[in-house]
Amino acid sequence: DQQVKQNSPSLSVQEGRISILNCDYTNSMFDYFLWYKKYPAEGPTFLISISSIKDKNEDGRFTVFLNKSAKHLSLHIVPSQPGDSAVYFCAAPIDTGGFKTIFGAGTRLFVKA
Amino acid sequence: NAGVTQTPKFQVLKTGQSMTLQCAQDMNHNSMYWYRQDPGMGLRLIYYSASEGTTDKGEVPNGYNVSRLNKREFSLRLESAAPSQTSVYFCASSDYSVVGETQYFGPGTRLLVL
Repeated sequence: DQQVKQNSPSLSVQEGRISILNCDYTNSMFDYFLWYKKYPAEGPTFLISISSIKDKNEDGRFTVFLNKSAKHLSLHIVPSQPGDSAVYFCAAPIDTGGFKTIFGAGTRLFVKA
Repeated sequence: NAGVTQTPKFQVLKTGQSMTLQCAQDMNHNSMYWYRQDPGMGLRLIYYSASEGTTDKGEVPNGYNVSRLNKREFSLRLESAAPSQTSVYFCASSDYSVVGETQYFGPGTRLLVL
């Protein structure tokens, strides 16, 4: 049972346009969400996070939106750049201690120049 | 400051062989983790160590053992490798002072079991 789902394995976007990566979750107890970015042959790196008390968090070109009633979050990248081409993972800590984090399967973003 | 380092980068094993994946972090983090990444599955937690001297099972612990050697080092051992353990293994660390503290990942170890 995947508690964090990224249903789009890949996404292709033109440089300068908006990239929207989606993530759905099933566990209403999740109260914090993170996005990680991963380049080939490297480990994931933290990108942006959001607490369940907020519905939006912005950091430069990256904005994460949270819709708790729909159990859905999305990562917007505006404008998209070729260097944004990577795999993006949505993640949520599963316990109050935060030691167990559930990751989605990832979405591979291609930004075309 | 190297962050999280992993050795080896790549390994080929025959079924039944054993090996230990090494991980070290220089950020003075309390918590360390081992994940495996498989196509279409995301990252799955194998074992974690909340602090020096403790280890706990994650989602997929079967076939693995771990040792938290000291605060810096956390090793993952495959006693008898199986083809199903072919994967990319990532070590991570964090300092869980607050919920949602981000994890810092190593570059990964690509393991092929024949």
